[in-house]
Amino acid sequence: DSGVTQTPKHLITATGQRVTLRCSPRSGDLSVYWYQQSLDQGLQFLIQYYNGEERAKGNILERFSAQQFPDLHSELNLSSLELGDSALYFCASSVAEGTNYGYTFGSGTRLTVV
Amino acid sequence: AQSVSQHNHHVILSEAASLELGCNYSYGGTVNLFWYVQYPGQHLQLLLKYFSGDPLVKGIKGFEAEFIKSKFSFNLRKPSVQWSDTAEYFCAVNAYSGSARQLTFGSGTQLTVLP
Repeated sequence: DSGVTQTPKHLITATGQRVTLRCSPRSGDLSVYWYQQSLDQGLQFLIQYYNGEERAKGNILERFSAQQFPDLHSELNLSSLELGDSALYFCASSVAEGTNYGYTFGSGTRLTVV
Repeated sequence: AQSVSQHNHHVILSEAASLELGCNYSYGGTVNLFWYVQYPGQHLQLLLKYFSGDPLVKGIKGFEAEFIKSKFSFNLRKPSVQWSDTAEYFCAVNAYSGSARQLTFGSGTQLTVLP
């Protein structure tokens, strides 16, 4: 157990639907990062939050959005889902933004769009 | 923006063989370098990291990596692999992109160790 909790572990949904992925960072970590891992794209950085504020955006589609709440948990919202959105979505956390300590990753949510 | 290249997509070795996985990055400034491992069905775990100082970094499970600044490389090595090392290995660079630091990953190398 890395200390980063992601729910649900698996999600199967239909095209056009909307889902919410949840991440609780490791205790004491203020930064949360979302990554998408797919076979053809590898690990792609989506978005970063630090203490409730958006800090950096990567290759995140407009159909996707995220937020970090006052209790520091984060949610990634994926809407108008397409088959190509099927992937493993990882959340990671770190003590501070721009940290030199690397990130602690959760076990991921496997999203299957059918 | 920085990028990370891992040229070996899939490496197959027999137990006790030596391992070297290549990693090259492109970034002109100061970088922090990492190797992560992802065992089947599990999350990414940190193997080792380089920030400064001795360019030869030792990590967990007998892995080590050497930072060669002139070659923009951070290759992962292990003298004798075990079947339990079968996993996917990711090299990553933590460097500024715009105003924020980001961890950028390579495409990964799948290592299969045959018993």
